[in-house]
Amino acid sequence: AQSVTQLDSHVSVSEGTPVLLRCNYSSSYSPSLFWYVQHPNKGLQLLLKYTSAATLVKGINGFEAEFKKSETSFHLTKPSAHMSDAAEYFCVVSDRSGGYNKLIFGAGTRLAVHP
Amino acid sequence: SAVISQKPSRDICQRGTSLTIQCQVDSQVTMMFWYRQQPGQSLTLIATANQGSEATYESGFVIDKFPISRPNLTFSTLTVSNMSPEDSSIYLCSVTEGGIGEPQHFGDGTRLSIL
Repeated sequence: AQSVTQLDSHVSVSEGTPVLLRCNYSSSYSPSLFWYVQHPNKGLQLLLKYTSAATLVKGINGFEAEFKKSETSFHLTKPSAHMSDAAEYFCVVSDRSGGYNKLIFGAGTRLAVHP
Repeated sequence: SAVISQKPSRDICQRGTSLTIQCQVDSQVTMMFWYRQQPGQSLTLIATANQGSEATYESGFVIDKFPISRPNLTFSTLTVSNMSPEDSSIYLCSVTEGGIGEPQHFGDGTRLSIL
């Protein structure tokens, strides 16, 4: 079965410093992995996706993630945090076992950005 | 990507009543999904709705509590029946435009509080 573990429930950084949000996955086959962001009182926005192409994936707003099969990790990074990055971030794996596109969500990481 | 509109955006309801949430997509999609996000929690899939067939419910969710309609390829409704305070959550619909393994796109959600 597919699963996702987000290693930090809360991350706090200063504006202008790097961001690292950690995610480990478990999958019985080559996974599709995504990062979504949820700002307060908003729905979920897709940041980036990995679907077995390049292992370093670039997304919107300067975010990127690296798929490391040997470590079963898909960590999200950004070189320099902005105040507007404060939000909830979800690492997600696609479960294809049912023949359709079921998403399995991690518990989420709340990112705080301080001036 | 598809634009998804949900109505209502939020509501406060009395226990024992029912509320129907609407999800409208600006393009035809085969699969639509309904999720629940309880306060401070991650997303959990309620059911998958395909046009022309019965919705497929996940473990822990039943049709009597969460009836779903999917009358055409751009519209779906989720009803939360006989509500109790435990049903206070954000309910989100999503769609996928690609094949298996492709990401889903989400509406802004319906924020439901039960008194």
